[in-house]
Amino acid sequence: DGGITQSPKYLFRKEGQNVTLSCEQNLNHDAMYWYRQDPGQGLRLIYYSQIVNDFQKGDIAEGYSVSREKKESFPLTVTSAQKNPTAFYLCASSTYHRGYNQPQHFGDGTRLSIL
Amino acid sequence: AQSVAQPEDQVNVAEGNPLTVKCTYSVSGNPYLFWYVQYPNRGLQFLLKYITGDNLVKGSYGFEAEFNKSQTSFHLKKPSALVSDSALYFCAVRDGGNTPLVFGKGTRLSVIA
Repeated sequence: DGGITQSPKYLFRKEGQNVTLSCEQNLNHDAMYWYRQDPGQGLRLIYYSQIVNDFQKGDIAEGYSVSREKKESFPLTVTSAQKNPTAFYLCASSTYHRGYNQPQHFGDGTRLSIL
Repeated sequence: AQSVAQPEDQVNVAEGNPLTVKCTYSVSGNPYLFWYVQYPNRGLQFLLKYITGDNLVKGSYGFEAEFNKSQTSFHLKKPSALVSDSALYFCAVRDGGNTPLVFGKGTRLSVIA
């Protein structure tokens, strides 16, 4: 089955530690996205990538980093500079080959907590 | 820049009654509008999207959405609510181009038996 796989489902971070969240898709989508979800705030865009080896900052990129070395993969690193990392992180992908009304497809998320 | 507003944090409806979850949008060009549903500790599931020219769009699980250009609205509707419809619903918009979706803050729907 085609889809988006996020791992791990739960992740704990110690103070001063960097952690990396994995996102893999087998939908052959060009674009991938990372969102952060906090209660009552909806989804906020962290980073997105429209093509391999290229990515753009979203609304809340500070304290995060990404890479896009392969079409299928878009890992997100939460650095120690992110002072409030506790949240639910969602990865998504989409294609534009059939127009701009194509939906984004989402993974099942990673819940990050501070120890 | 595009934006979406979902004016209600919570909507309560009795099982079997019709439901409406409201969404208004703001874009500079043509709107590309979407509705998603989220169950606890899960990702977002696509429900339906606006198709140019169709003011009433049908989607998954019996949901439909009514597009109103003059009111810049795209309200989600269902004729008869089920308890299993209880979830968090998000409206989203893109104004064209290779841009990410912008999401509303979500509306929690509670269907009471």
